[in-house]
Amino acid sequence: SQQGEEDPQALSIQEGENATMNCSYKTSINNLQWYRQNSGRGLVHLILIRSNEREKHSGRLRVTLDTSKKSSSLLITASRAADTASYFCATDDNQGGKLIFGQGTELSVKP
Amino acid sequence: ETGVTQTPRHLVMGMTNKKSLKCEQHLGHNAMYWYKQSAKKPLELMFVYNFKEQTENNSVPSRFSPECPNSSHLFLHLHTLQPEDSALYLCASSPGQGLNTEAFFGQGTRLTVV
Repeated sequence: SQQGEEDPQALSIQEGENATMNCSYKTSINNLQWYRQNSGRGLVHLILIRSNEREKHSGRLRVTLDTSKKSSSLLITASRAADTASYFCATDDNQGGKLIFGQGTELSVKP
Repeated sequence: ETGVTQTPRHLVMGMTNKKSLKCEQHLGHNAMYWYKQSAKKPLELMFVYNFKEQTENNSVPSRFSPECPNSSHLFLHLHTLQPEDSALYLCASSPGQGLNTEAFFGQGTRLTVV
């Protein structure tokens, strides 16, 4: 089944630094979404980028989408310790609107 | 708080038990989903309901039985589970399947099968 793959699997940075996470997927999509998950909790939606969009911003988040390369990146600027969490990309395919998730990137922001 | 509520939050059950997980949303959404999240694995889509009709069964073993009595409620009935079924079970809802919108997740039920 279609599945996003995040890279890196784990990322450790200092507060104030930027964090970049990448996602690759396999087939054509309607949109790509990024979610955040604190340990053992539910997922929280961060941002959705449609297949005809190339870049989107929300606060300290910047998402890019390159449909020719089937890839997306999530940039968190000026990171904070509270940004420590797992981040997942999910693709909404064009065969029924199922959200398929990648394996996630574990981000650790050290104060 | 996303508006999707799952109960119980934690569940320990024996392999011969029967239990049910409950998910409730009052967001006016018409699509509801069950996902399984095991350690070190991606979220696995299990079932999808759209307007109370099951539209997706992702090759889930029959010991997991979903029920969607109305658009606001979703259940996952569990019977004769195995230890490898221990995981975090997440419910989600969205305005409708295929509507190009985000999903709202509950906090999950942490299931341990002993």
